[in-house]
Amino acid sequence: SQTIHQWPATLVQPVGSPLSLECTVEGTSNPNLYWYRQAAGRGLQLLFYSVGIGQISSEVPQNLSASRPQDRQFILSSKKLLLSDSGFYLCAWSEGRYEQYFGPGTRLTVT
Amino acid sequence: GENVEQHPSTLSVQEGDSAVIKCTYSDSASNYFPWYKQELGKRPQLIIDIRSNVGEKKDQRIAVTLNKTAKHFSLHITETQPEDSAVYFCADQFYFGTGTSLTVIP
Repeated sequence: SQTIHQWPATLVQPVGSPLSLECTVEGTSNPNLYWYRQAAGRGLQLLFYSVGIGQISSEVPQNLSASRPQDRQFILSSKKLLLSDSGFYLCAWSEGRYEQYFGPGTRLTVT
Repeated sequence: GENVEQHPSTLSVQEGDSAVIKCTYSDSASNYFPWYKQELGKRPQLIIDIRSNVGEKKDQRIAVTLNKTAKHFSLHITETQPEDSAVYFCADQFYFGTGTSLTVIP
């Protein structure tokens, strides 16, 4: 069966520091991969999605970037965090453009 | 598929009553509409979905209806139970509504 992992589970970082969040999927090949951010008490904002290695589409221009170095690995990065980057970051995968399955999430607090 | 409006933002019902959440979308080419349930501090989980070639789908106490002409779709939960309390999100493929916080009062 397929599983999706995210780490770390929680992270506290100072303003201006770099960020690297990792997501990996097991049990499937060539999944579509997604990064979402959820601010406290808010909805899910699609940040990036990828249909294959090296193929990244950005939905929201900001100080975040994403990379897909391997088929089942998706990384979210920032060179300098802002206070507004705080939130719950969720990775998801899908086969094709239908059902999405979410990872456990990373709770990021920028101080 | 980026503009998804969801109402109401909060909903309280008595246990056993029905709950209805409504969403509208703007892209006439959209063809997949999932609904997710998110409990506090947890990941969203798919509870039901509908594709554009059908108008209604049911799964036990949960049903979803789709009106392509009007570009709106709705989630119906019947015989609500306290464990139905959560935040519910509609989506137009990957683009999410703002969520509805449902509270079922015992």
